Amino acid sequence: GAVVSQHPSWVICKSGTSVKIECRSLDFQATTMFWYRQFPKQSLMLMATSNEGSKATYEQGVEKDKFLINHASLTLSTLTVTSAHPEDSSFYICSARDPLAGQAYNSPLHFGNGTRLTVT
Amino acid sequence: DQQVKQNSPSLSVQEGRISILNCDYTNSMFDYFLWYKKYPAEGPTFLISISSIKDKNEDGRFTVFLNKSAKHLSLHIVPSQPGDSAVYFCAASEPEVRLWFHQGGKLIFGQGTELSVKP
Repeated sequence: GAVVSQHPSWVICKSGTSVKIECRSLDFQATTMFWYRQFPKQSLMLMATSNEGSKATYEQGVEKDKFLINHASLTLSTLTVTSAHPEDSSFYICSARDPLAGQAYNSPLHFGNGTRLTVT
Repeated sequence: DQQVKQNSPSLSVQEGRISILNCDYTNSMFDYFLWYKKYPAEGPTFLISISSIKDKNEDGRFTVFLNKSAKHLSLHIVPSQPGDSAVYFCAASEPEVRLWFHQGGKLIFGQGTELSVKP
């Protein structure tokens, strides 16, 4: 299946600073990537859809100015958590669809290994 | 409003026996269902999926059953192995959301069930 790589795997930062998380599709091009977040003992929740060459679309309740998404190339999407606060501490995971599925939207998402963000 | 529910937070099974993980959903528009396996500090790994036009899909030791009238799906793992120990998430999506709004990226996940397979 498709391989999605995420970096860093964990990061600790001080309150008020910004953190950038990278998501790369390996050996395939992804015009669309998806950013999820998981709080401890909870479900994964879609935050935003990252579109190459255009603006990201955000889920209701997700602040676009706080979670900046840049999808500058067909293999890289970045999520920047700006002015991070302790409540932003979470597990952030990006995903993309298997390119072999083509335009089959009912195909599985493949996830990166996630980034554990801890804001002190 | 939890549209996908996994009511058992944990399940313990003996090696070699069958593991049955359950998932219920409330949205009748869901037509595509998936199971993911997740280890701590890692992203979910896709296991198996099923379309609503089917009631069963099998892949090796993994079988997913779908009961649309009951809005219930289950994942059977047989025989269970210690390496199967992980958190299992079921997820669902609806067709209109896939096609028009989220390009297939919006999956609604359950809370997960932690499976422990004991040697």
